[in-house]
Amino acid sequence: GENVEQHPSTLSVQEGDSAVIKCTYSDSASNYFPWYKQELGKGPQLIIDIRSNVGEKKDQRIAVTLNKTAKHFSLHITETQPEDSAVYFCAASASGGSYIPTFGRGTSLIVHP
Amino acid sequence: ETGVTQTPRHLVMGMTNKKSLKCEQHLGHNAMYWYKQSAKKPLELMFVYSLEERVENNSVPSRFSPECPNSSHLFLHLHTLQPEDSALYLCASSHRVAARNEQFFGPGTRLTVL
Repeated sequence: GENVEQHPSTLSVQEGDSAVIKCTYSDSASNYFPWYKQELGKGPQLIIDIRSNVGEKKDQRIAVTLNKTAKHFSLHITETQPEDSAVYFCAASASGGSYIPTFGRGTSLIVHP
Repeated sequence: ETGVTQTPRHLVMGMTNKKSLKCEQHLGHNAMYWYKQSAKKPLELMFVYSLEERVENNSVPSRFSPECPNSSHLFLHLHTLQPEDSALYLCASSHRVAARNEQFFGPGTRLTVL
């Protein structure tokens, strides 16, 4: 089955700095890679996703890159703000047969004002 | 508001009690999931229901029993739980076959077993 590794487990940055979270996956059939943000007291919510036919996707201050050959993908947050503080999860899944996603262990991002 | 609701939001129960968690989605999805989220542990998939098929994590104890009467409702029946079962229980839904099977999560039920 799929195995998703996520690093780091904790990331502490100053407001305005950039934050990068990295994930690797093992199953070459995976073709959909979402990122979720979980704020305190809430369930995870999708913030950005990428499919395997795209190498990079950007949405305002967040971007995701995918290297399918190396089987790794990363979340980049620029100009971090205190409200970016949360737990971030990466996941990998395949449309169709293996539709059930495999999640990384999560990264706790702390943005200091 | 994600379109997935869970009740109750908080539950405290003794080890001999029987209770049920409820999840409802209004998104027209055809797959629903139960996850367990414990402190400092990864999201643990417990059960999946999709198109009348059930997938379960074999490591989940039998004191957790899911029920999915239709594609919009999902229950998790709890009986004779242990203190280590205290956790946040998350429900999610998605399309099973789609260009992207994004999951929509509910807010979770915070369960405490005394």
